[in-house]
Amino acid sequence: AQKITQTQPGMFVQEKEAVTLDCTYDTSDPSYGLFWYKQPSSGEMIFLIYQGSYDQQNATEGRYSLNFQKARKSANLVISASQLGDSAMYFCAMREGLGTSYDKVIFGPGTSLSVIP
Amino acid sequence: DVKVTQSSRYLVKRTGEKVFLECVQDMDHENMFWYRQDPGLGLRLIYFSYDVKMKEKGDIPEGYSVSREKKERFSLILESASTNQTSMYLCASTRGGVSYNEQFFGPGTRLTVL
Repeated sequence: AQKITQTQPGMFVQEKEAVTLDCTYDTSDPSYGLFWYKQPSSGEMIFLIYQGSYDQQNATEGRYSLNFQKARKSANLVISASQLGDSAMYFCAMREGLGTSYDKVIFGPGTSLSVIP
Repeated sequence: DVKVTQSSRYLVKRTGEKVFLECVQDMDHENMFWYRQDPGLGLRLIYFSYDVKMKEKGDIPEGYSVSREKKERFSLILESASTNQTSMYLCASTRGGVSYNEQFFGPGTRLTVL
């Protein structure tokens, strides 16, 4: 069963506008971490933001913020003031089992974001 | 500058060949991972390792094996390559144990099996 769901295969946003990329996850572990990565056309994976399951506040990193709704098991990425360089694939990921033999990171299918001038 | 390196950027092999993909990290990370990336499917976890000589199956281990003889090196082995293993392979590493650190990725190996 898919543990990370990203329901938007592709999205468009106007330059300078804000955009929300959806992510829902499934885990029975009380402790886990949620990540967002960006993959531009060059192929490199770029870490954007992290949210811990016990963190009280939503994570923010510059123009990126993570809208964490624990009860709904959702971890949406919000990009404010979109730039042309934001055009890329975006992956939501979850790490669970920290420090155990099943300490692993799994990814969603990704969302392709295109920023329109 | 931290680094995860992969032995090849591009690789072309024939069906039935044995294929080795090597990954080396210089960050003294405990955990290492192999993923394959296919359009529309994202990154799917093949195998991961939390320590030397330890390995765990991910979501799609069939047709693959791994080896971790040294902490810095994690090898992915295709015992008998098949055309459905044509894909982009990504290696990643992260610190284990105490906190949820992000992963660091290699540049990827694009494998074509003819």
